[in-house]
Amino acid sequence: GAGVSQSPRYKVAKRGQDVALRCDPISGHVSLFWYQQALGQGPEFLTYFQNEAQLDKSGLPSDRFFAERPEGSVSTLKIQRTQQEDSAVYLCASSLLATNTDTQYFGPGTRLTVL
Amino acid sequence: LAKTTQPISMDSYEGQEVNITCSHNNIATNDYITWYQQFPSQGPRFIIQGYKTKVTNEVASLFIPADRKSSTLSLPRVSLSDTAVYYCLVGDSFSSGSARQLTFGSGTQLTVLP
Repeated sequence: GAGVSQSPRYKVAKRGQDVALRCDPISGHVSLFWYQQALGQGPEFLTYFQNEAQLDKSGLPSDRFFAERPEGSVSTLKIQRTQQEDSAVYLCASSLLATNTDTQYFGPGTRLTVL
Repeated sequence: LAKTTQPISMDSYEGQEVNITCSHNNIATNDYITWYQQFPSQGPRFIIQGYKTKVTNEVASLFIPADRKSSTLSLPRVSLSDTAVYYCLVGDSFSSGSARQLTFGSGTQLTVLP
């Protein structure tokens, strides 16, 4: 299994709950991205890591969103006090190097539904 | 980033060649063109990338005219399993710099009918 994996695949949360979404990138990949995909739309960028360093978090919609990659491999996207507008598919992607020519490989996503 | 315009949806029949055209009128000199495919409940998957003229791989061909203001993804002899959303992306890969996020539009929903 050499692909990007994400867990859980589906998550239902009550409004106000905190959630944590996990991404296991391809082993050895330096770059890791998180995207948010609303129904019927293309993915939108949230944040980017190069190894353990979070170099770009300009796409995070609010301070309720937090991402980390403490050891430069697995990453977690945490959403605090979830709101209904947070309902979406959250995609993780990784690429081998840290250059802008690398192909990004996407995981299957986590579908978050906030009730 | 250059904005792209694609048809919202297209229908085709099995065995036909499908051409999806993307407009990117304000493409910059350093911009390249990339196409991704996304099946339901999956993440996007890279299909093909090019800068000018024609690029072909085992999955598709990409045609880019001289002015580069549009591009056409060509899928030969489609099957039912090619039903998916296809995204055209335009971005800069020629300047030096660190990895960059991809900017997706709404894509084209291709439906292949039996």
